[in-house]
Amino acid sequence: SAVISQKPSRDICQRGTSLTIQCQVDSQVTMMFWYRQQPGQSLTLIATANQGSEATYESGFVIDKFPISRPNLTFSTLTVSNMSPEDSSIYLCSVGGSATNEKLFFGSGTQLSVL
Amino acid sequence: GENVEQHPSTLSVQEGDSAVIKCTYSDSASNYFPWYKQELGKRPQLIIDIRSNVGEKKDQRIAVTLNKTAKHFSLHITETQPEDSAVYFCAASRIPTFGRGTSLIVHP
Repeated sequence: SAVISQKPSRDICQRGTSLTIQCQVDSQVTMMFWYRQQPGQSLTLIATANQGSEATYESGFVIDKFPISRPNLTFSTLTVSNMSPEDSSIYLCSVGGSATNEKLFFGSGTQLSVL
Repeated sequence: GENVEQHPSTLSVQEGDSAVIKCTYSDSASNYFPWYKQELGKRPQLIIDIRSNVGEKKDQRIAVTLNKTAKHFSLHITETQPEDSAVYFCAASRIPTFGRGTSLIVHP
């Protein structure tokens, strides 16, 4: 399996500010996704991070609010912009591809609290 | 898109009993069905998965069955232990859509 480094692990932010979350993988992976998990809830896909092109967003998520970068096959960032308390959640990157035998693995998550 | 239903939402068993969690999916094109275990405060961990060309897969005390015709799949845990207590999520498709999760509680 791939070794995934996600940071920060947690942060407390003020309303109206932005936070960028980083996801680094130790091998090249074709698939990188960003999920949100609200307390006690399931995982909701925010977007697919596409290498060299714009991310593909799921219904209810927009680029202006959650800009995503993926400059290469081992790294991606998710920014939560103009935060409000409703954005308080755990954000997880997940990766997969031939390096993981097509299995999907998760980073350790970023616990975000917005005051 | 894919829609995954999972039940029960909570499952309480005695140590040594078996536990079964069931999921249904909507997209007949889905061909990959992973199961994840999430302990409190930790990331989801892949515990077993099955592809649509297989009807059943076992790994020690854990097994998954798939019925493509009925579009449902199940997780079976035998001889449950307290350390099996966690939230279990099923998912479907190559870009996984997750079920709501099952909180499994194993009483010693």
